[in-house]
Amino acid sequence: RKEVEQDPGPFNVPEGATVAFNCTYSNSASQSFFWYRQDCRKEPKLLMSVYSSGNEDGRFTAQLNRASQYISLLIRDSKLSDSATYLCVVKADSNYQLIWGAGTKLIIKP
Amino acid sequence: EAQVTQNPRYLITVTGKKLTVTCSQNMNHEYMSWYRQDPGLGLRQIYYSMNVEVTDKGDVPEGYKVSRKEKRNFPLILESPSPNQTSLYFCASTSIAGVLGEQFFGPGTRLTVL
Repeated sequence: RKEVEQDPGPFNVPEGATVAFNCTYSNSASQSFFWYRQDCRKEPKLLMSVYSSGNEDGRFTAQLNRASQYISLLIRDSKLSDSATYLCVVKADSNYQLIWGAGTKLIIKP
Repeated sequence: EAQVTQNPRYLITVTGKKLTVTCSQNMNHEYMSWYRQDPGLGLRQIYYSMNVEVTDKGDVPEGYKVSRKEKRNFPLILESPSPNQTSLYFCASTSIAGVLGEQFFGPGTRLTVL
């Protein structure tokens, strides 16, 4: 089993819709969680950190479920510009390594 | 402008010919790392460095070397490249003052080994 798993997609979603995807992690000692966005052939960029109580940034909401060991990303009122691959990142506090998921591809259609 | 630069951006080489990919950051970050990205596998860490003269192996270090003689530079060296090292490589840096969450990435180096 991979340490961090994501549905590769693609998720094909009409503009304006709400879409959500999850990321599961295997190490229960994981303490820090992040969502990155990566456009085709470009470098990843931090979208948002994921806090224990959940957090929101505009149209984006991130949630953490420690009991089931997954994090989620919800995008409301999706825009064409949201089309990208979303990478889940997990860090265990015992070291300085980040473990990356393979990403979920999102395609927003007009 | 705060940035991470990598060179070259694209490289086609042949098996066994030593090469170096340079990485430089101007943000005075302590932590730098190298990743490779392959389809379906996500980003995998090759090496990382907590500071000058401090380096450590990531998940896939075989076939690679790094050095950290200066804080701003973290070159990746392939002494004898092989076709299975064909990949997209990213260098990243961050401040260790936080939780390493916001890594700043270079634009990537697309390497093909024939």
